[in-house]
Amino acid sequence: GQQLNQSPQSMFIQEGEDVSMNCTSSSIFNTWLWYKQDPGEGPVLLIALYKAGELTSNGRLTAQFGITRKDSFLNISASIPSDVGIYFCAGRATGGGADGLTFGKGTHLIIQP
Amino acid sequence: DTEVTQTPKHLVMGMTNKKSLKCEQHMGHRAMYWYKQKAKKPPELMFVYSYEKLSINESVPSRFSPECPNSSLLNLHLHALQPEDSALYLCASSQQGGYQPQHFGDGTRLSIL
Repeated sequence: GQQLNQSPQSMFIQEGEDVSMNCTSSSIFNTWLWYKQDPGEGPVLLIALYKAGELTSNGRLTAQFGITRKDSFLNISASIPSDVGIYFCAGRATGGGADGLTFGKGTHLIIQP
Repeated sequence: DTEVTQTPKHLVMGMTNKKSLKCEQHMGHRAMYWYKQKAKKPPELMFVYSYEKLSINESVPSRFSPECPNSSLLNLHLHALQPEDSALYLCASSQQGGYQPQHFGDGTRLSIL
């Protein structure tokens, strides 16, 4: 099946630093989604991307849908303590209908005081 | 607060028990999903329902039996589970068609004794 390679696996940063993570795939995706999951909760949608080359922001978060449709990145500017959690990229290969998502393995963000 | 509600939040059951997980959404979504998530791993798709009909079964063992009684409800019936089935079970929903993102509930934490 399809696989998403998400990196880095974990990040240890200082509060106020910028964060960057990315996902790559060997196959084309039509939709890229970025989710954040806190302990004991389900994934929460951060940003959805639908067009190759699309750059979308949500507050301090910015994500881009790669031109080749095989990659996406998520940037977080000026990190704060509540940014701690696991960030997942997810892709959907088909358009229309209802299909499940393929998830990356996650980036665990840890902020050091 | 998530708009996808899952009950119970926690469930402990023996291998011979029969129990059900419930999921409810009132966003008018016509696609609903079950995912399984093991600790420190990404969610893995189990089932997809589209317009109350099962459209995708990711080769899930028959001890897991999904049911979609109406457009707002999704159940997962459990019987004769194994210890390796212990996991977080996530329900998600989305608009049907197009490239609609999936919205997740907070999951049911299932432990099999």
